[in-house]
Amino acid sequence: DAGVIQSPRHEVTEMGQEVTLRCKPISGHNSLFWYRQTMMRGLELLIYFNNNVPIDDSGMPEDRFSAKMPNASFSTLKIQPSEPRDSAVYFCASSFQGWGNTIYFGEGSWLTVV
Amino acid sequence: QKEVEQNSGPLSVPEGAIASLNCTYSDRGSQSFFWYRQYSGKSPELIMFIYSNGDKEDGRFTAQLNKASQYVSLLIRDSQPSDSATYLCAVTQTGANNLFFGTGTRLTVIP
Repeated sequence: DAGVIQSPRHEVTEMGQEVTLRCKPISGHNSLFWYRQTMMRGLELLIYFNNNVPIDDSGMPEDRFSAKMPNASFSTLKIQPSEPRDSAVYFCASSFQGWGNTIYFGEGSWLTVV
Repeated sequence: QKEVEQNSGPLSVPEGAIASLNCTYSDRGSQSFFWYRQYSGKSPELIMFIYSNGDKEDGRFTAQLNKASQYVSLLIRDSQPSDSATYLCAVTQTGANNLFFGTGTRLTVIP
């Protein structure tokens, strides 16, 4: 079975540019999570969708970040404009019915903003 | 105070020894506890979960939960070099509205 699929795997962009990260969750999963991982802060939840509806976006750092889930098989995380401090690994993860069940992570999108 | 605290390590153990990884959490109402393993440059993968006080064994791995003391630990018996990774403890918030991760403990198993 295909796992959580993320793209791009690696992106290097200049400060001020728009960055769009994409995610396809595991088929049948109805919960989707976007996490950011840095050395200093570890894994941080950015936003959590359940049945395509954003449930908790309190972790989104600021208005430059936005996330959408137009259907059960696709989600995007957008950063506009990007800044060097946004450099991190962004993980998308999915599960069936929230955190009570196993969360499966994608391979991550490694973002570098120069 | 962070929601989930782990010793960042590195923790080094010889091959064949028992590796003991510890985690404390601040939310007394937390219900679900997870251990993830993350190899360098890879994504986290679940290795164990535990919901009830006591021990839960799965192969060489044993998770231990003590809700009164608010700690959860992971024991790895017969450690192998392939166990060298960062181990992340994760704890659900009361009401399961969030899953907090610790910053991880880096384990190195020396052949």
